Amino acid sequence: NAGVMQNPRHLVRRRGQEARLRCSPMKGHSHVYWYRQLPEEGLKFMVYLQKENIIDESGMPKERFSAEFPKEGPSILRIQQVVRGDSAAYFCASSPPGVPADNEQFFGPGTRLTVL
Amino acid sequence: AQSVTQLGSHVSVSEGALVLLRCNYSSSVPPYLFWYVQYPNQGLQLLLKYTSAATLVKGINGFEAEFKKSETSFHLTKPSAHMSDAAEYFCAVTRNSGYSTLTFGKGTMLLVSP
Repeated sequence: NAGVMQNPRHLVRRRGQEARLRCSPMKGHSHVYWYRQLPEEGLKFMVYLQKENIIDESGMPKERFSAEFPKEGPSILRIQQVVRGDSAAYFCASSPPGVPADNEQFFGPGTRLTVL
Repeated sequence: AQSVTQLGSHVSVSEGALVLLRCNYSSSVPPYLFWYVQYPNQGLQLLLKYTSAATLVKGINGFEAEFKKSETSFHLTKPSAHMSDAAEYFCAVTRNSGYSTLTFGKGTMLLVSP
């Protein structure tokens, strides 16, 4: 059973460009979470999605950031008009159906975004 | 609201010595608590979790943690450090019911010297 997959592993963008980060959850998992890790910081929650629904986006910046988890295909975290402060590691996690609190979140290897 | 405080951004031990990584939490409701390990350029791997069963939780790689409600602590220990334990360790908390996101501490880097 393959783990959570994220691509690309490394992404370099110039200021003003768009960044698209992809996450394929583990097979059978229907909950997806995105976290951001800044240098010297722990992971910060950004958004929680189930298939075709955003459940909680309280950690997402109000502008330029969006996320989706379509019926088919991976979850996408999109950052428009990137700025240097967006440089970070972005981690995706997934968990199986059921009560989220009872279920372990399995993390992907992350995408390291560098904005030049 | 929930929060996690990890005391010490870096902890250094000698190989074979006791490992103690501290975690204190704040939660207005009964919590679930987790320890994750992150190796360089990798994602997080779950070491162990407390979900209101036994207060002493055993995890992978010889680690264990004890939930102490009176001290609001969930410290991680290992009797004898190994070189391969060198990594960053994160404590996290969530509510024990319904939906809740994970709230992470800032992490503790464990350095193991020969």
